[in-house]
Amino acid sequence: GQQLNQSPQSMFIQEGEDVSMNCTSSSIFNTWLWYKQDPGEGPVLLIALYKAGELTSNGRLTAQFGTTRKDSFLNISASIPSDVGIYFCAGYDLSGNTPLVFGKGTRLSVIA
Amino acid sequence: DSGVTQTPKHLITATGQRVTLRCSPRSGDLSVYWYQQSLDQGLQFLIQYYNGEERAKGNILERFSAQQFPDLHSELNLSSLELGDSALYFCASSVESAGEAFFGQGTRLTVV
Repeated sequence: GQQLNQSPQSMFIQEGEDVSMNCTSSSIFNTWLWYKQDPGEGPVLLIALYKAGELTSNGRLTAQFGTTRKDSFLNISASIPSDVGIYFCAGYDLSGNTPLVFGKGTRLSVIA
Repeated sequence: DSGVTQTPKHLITATGQRVTLRCSPRSGDLSVYWYQQSLDQGLQFLIQYYNGEERAKGNILERFSAQQFPDLHSELNLSSLELGDSALYFCASSVESAGEAFFGQGTRLTVV
């Protein structure tokens, strides 16, 4: 099945810094989704991407659908303490016949 | 609030027992997904239903089964429970079989 490689696994940053994380797949995806999960809670959808090259923002978050269709990036600008959590990428492959597959997550810690 | 409702929120049961987890999708969503998340692990896909029919199956144990009812709510049945089945179980729903998926708050299952 599809593999999603998400990096980095974890990050420790200072408040106010920008953050970048990425996800690569072994196959071509036609949809990329980015989620944030707080401890003990369900993942919350942050951004959805549907076209290669698409760049979409949600407040301080910006995500891009890679032009190869095999990768996606999430950037967080000017991090704040409430950005702490686990960020997951997820996606559907080109056929659309496979389930939503998730990366293993990037654990973000923000030091005030 | 994602609009996806899962009950119960917490469940403690003994090994060998059987439990049923319930999920009500967002209004209008036809697709329901079930995921398992063990401590500090990623989201493992179990099974997907679309409009009452099984759509995709992941590494779901034979002791586990699910169904989606005509009113589109779904139930995940876990039987002959083992200690290793202790995890968070999430339900997600989307309008189509491949699209933006929204997660419930999860059911935390503890097997003792």
